[in-house]
Amino acid sequence: GAVVSQHPSRVICKSGTSVKIECRSLDFQATTMFWYRQFPKKSLMLMATSNEGSKATYEQGVEKDKFLINHASLTLSTLTVTSAHPEDSSFYICSVAGGMDTEAFFGQGTRLTVV
Amino acid sequence: GQNIDQPTEMTATEGAIVQINCTYQTSGFNGLFWYQQHAGEAPTFLSYNVLDGLEEKGRFSSFLSRSKGYSYLLLKELQMKDSASYLCAVMDSNYQLIWGAGTKLIIKP
Repeated sequence: GAVVSQHPSRVICKSGTSVKIECRSLDFQATTMFWYRQFPKKSLMLMATSNEGSKATYEQGVEKDKFLINHASLTLSTLTVTSAHPEDSSFYICSVAGGMDTEAFFGQGTRLTVV
Repeated sequence: GQNIDQPTEMTATEGAIVQINCTYQTSGFNGLFWYQQHAGEAPTFLSYNVLDGLEEKGRFSSFLSRSKGYSYLLLKELQMKDSASYLCAVMDSNYQLIWGAGTKLIIKP
């Protein structure tokens, strides 16, 4: 299966700053990547679908100006949390679509803490 | 709307067997997945069912009944390391994954 590398695994930032999270597909050309957010004891919540070479598709309720997604190549998608607030503290996970009927491959996740 | 239900928490004893149920109502069906997630980590893939029946993979088995909108994950010979959350997810007609809230499995010695 595909190997997905997500970086950083943990980040602490101050309120008002921006944080960039990278998601790399190491051995698979991913035209589509997904960004999820997970609150403690809650399900994964799809934030957006990242499409290589075009704008991301955001789920309802997700602010596209706050969560900037860039999918500039077939192996890299980035999520930038802009002007971070403490309520943005969460676990962010990216995944690569393995195909229409196969499992998704997940990055290791990023624990963001905004202080 | 789309909905996936699974128990919030279950407790079992080391060496025993546990069954985690998942029921779903989705717009279309293109497969059901089970993932294991340890605290603070990303989910890892356990199983995929698209046809009715039982899929066995070592200590873990997964069952699907499409007519009933029902699946279960069966864990045998439980080990302490099996303590984790188990997520049920369904791929809908748009090939998007709809996630359940997860079942936290606690294994006691």
